[in-house]
Amino acid sequence: EAGVAQSPRYKIIEKRQSVAFWCNPISGHATLYWYQQILGQGPKLLIQFQNNGVVDDSQLPKDRFSAERLKGVDSTLKIQPAKLEDSAVYLCASSLRPDTQYFGPGTRLTVL
Amino acid sequence: SQQGEEDPQALSIQEGENATMNCSYKTSINNLQWYRQNSGRGLVHLILIRSNEREKHSGRLRVTLDTSKKSSSLLITASRAADTASYFCATPNQGGKLIFGQGTELSVKP
Repeated sequence: EAGVAQSPRYKIIEKRQSVAFWCNPISGHATLYWYQQILGQGPKLLIQFQNNGVVDDSQLPKDRFSAERLKGVDSTLKIQPAKLEDSAVYLCASSLRPDTQYFGPGTRLTVL
Repeated sequence: SQQGEEDPQALSIQEGENATMNCSYKTSINNLQWYRQNSGRGLVHLILIRSNEREKHSGRLRVTLDTSKKSSSLLITASRAADTASYFCATPNQGGKLIFGQGTELSVKP
């Protein structure tokens, strides 16, 4: 069974630039999550999708972050414009049941 | 605010020794989960313990849960160099959102 795929694995941009991350969840997993993990901290949920609908985006900085999951499968997370404090690893996860989430390898973003 | 807090923040042991990590949380829970994260990789689900369970085993992993103290521990027996990773506890909040602690960084020296 293929795992959660994410791309790119690494991205370096300058502040005020835009960036987009892509996630392909495990086939059949209706729930998809985007997390932000700052160095030395645990992951923090940014947004949760159930199929193509948003379940929870309470921690998403909506002035600069956006996410979509148009067909209920792949998802993209965008930051526009990026700030220095957005430097982090962005993790995508998917689940069939709420008890167990499967994580992708993450995208490490560095904002200079 | 974070629900779970791990202790210690970092732990260094020799191969073959046991490693114990602790997690404390603030509110009542339905379950508590432990995840492992190797450097530069995503998280891997290790084990889930429900609120009505006190102890659970999976291979070399042993997890305990004390709901009266709002704490859990993860014991890795006979550690190996490959166990070197960060370990996180996570608890679902009322809405089912997983709240992670800051993690324990485990280093197992060969």
